[in-house]
Amino acid sequence: QVQLVQSGAEVKKPGASVKVSCKASGYTFTSYYMHWVRQAPGQGLEWMGIINPSGGSTSYAQKFQGRVTMTRDTSTSTVYMELSSLRSEDTAVYYCARALTAPDYWGQGTLVTVSS
Amino acid sequence: EIVMTQSPATLSVSPGERATLSCRASQSVSSNLAWYQQKPGQAPRLLIYGASTRATGIPARFSGSGSGTEFTLTISSLQSEDFAVYYCQQYNNWSWTFGQGTKVEIK
Repeated sequence: QVQLVQSGAEVKKPGASVKVSCKASGYTFTSYYMHWVRQAPGQGLEWMGIINPSGGSTSYAQKFQGRVTMTRDTSTSTVYMELSSLRSEDTAVYYCARALTAPDYWGQGTLVTVSS
Repeated sequence: EIVMTQSPATLSVSPGERATLSCRASQSVSSNLAWYQQKPGQAPRLLIYGASTRATGIPARFSGSGSGTEFTLTISSLQSEDFAVYYCQQYNNWSWTFGQGTKVEIK
């Protein structure tokens, strides 16, 4: 069965970087795009960007341009999202979600807390 | 960036009643529109894609309609498990945006 398993919760200081992983299984990794979406406490869903695991091409939301990097490792069927220059407003649950069009499977979420 | 606007922000409905949720796009997204249900502490669950196609395993009481800029999610007879937050999302090209959500609460 399709599974997206994300790395565990992180606590970071302002100005630091965080790298969240999302390991895919149960389907052909390179056949689906992977998106990253975040949700701040009590807030709505915010799209961060997309990676094509087949060629590695990416597209990022304008808000995160210059601060986010999405990569993949086809040997382990894992995608990564790295966010730099963290600030308190980046405290959120970060989700990966696979999609051809609309995302049908989501990871369990990774809580990233930014606090001094 | 395409802006998605959902209404109302909160909808109070009695079990067994019909719920109608709206979503408007700032420009045409054709039928590239999805609806999600999210419960506290859980990831979003895909309900509808392509504006009107139910995802696998989604009950028939959920239906979607619309195209272009105006979309509707209808829950024909609310069950206890349907009280949650619902989001619309456009997935045009390689850029997504979400609506701010509609909370469906028990009246």
